[in-house]
Amino acid sequence: DGGITQSPKYLFRKEGQNVTLSCEQNLNHDAMYWYRQDPGQGLRLIYYSQIVNDFQKGDIAEGYSVSREKKESFPLTVTSAQKNPTAFYLCASTTSGGDNEQFFGPGTRLTVL
Amino acid sequence: GNSVTQMEGPVTLSEEAFLTINCTYTATGYPSLFWYVQYPGEGLQLLLKATKADDKGSNKGFEATYRKETTSFHLEKGSVQVSDSAVYFCALSVASGTYKYIFGTGTRLKVLA
Repeated sequence: DGGITQSPKYLFRKEGQNVTLSCEQNLNHDAMYWYRQDPGQGLRLIYYSQIVNDFQKGDIAEGYSVSREKKESFPLTVTSAQKNPTAFYLCASTTSGGDNEQFFGPGTRLTVL
Repeated sequence: GNSVTQMEGPVTLSEEAFLTINCTYTATGYPSLFWYVQYPGEGLQLLLKATKADDKGSNKGFEATYRKETTSFHLEKGSVQVSDSAVYFCALSVASGTYKYIFGTGTRLKVLA
């Protein structure tokens, strides 16, 4: 079955550590996105990528980094510079064109201890 | 700028009650409109969509009509079930150099047996 996988489901890290969240899709989608979800605030865009080897900052990119070396993969690194990283992180993908819906992964809940 | 405004929740209904969740938007051009549903601890799933004015999206008993004159896309269901309890997000996509998706803050629905 085609879809998006995110791992791990739950992640704990100590303050000052970098951590990388995985996102893989086998839908052959060109565009991939990372969102952060906090209670009562909806989804906020961190980074997005329209094609391999290219990505753009979203609304809250500070303290995060990404890479897009393969079409299927779009990992997100939460760096120690991110001041409040505890949140639920969602990866999504879509084909080109704004008529198309985004497909979402199951999410990773990151907790900083 | 582009934005989506949803009614605040939580919305609490008895089983078999009629549901309306209001959504209005501001956008330049002609956005596509979406409703997504999120169950606890999971990613978002597309519920329905509409890509042009007067289109009606429908799925699983839910409906929403793209109203350009009132810039609205209200979600309705004639008879809710306990299993409909979830958070519902209204969203739009706009062409702005690249396609971006903008989400409302979500409306939590709780259906009581």
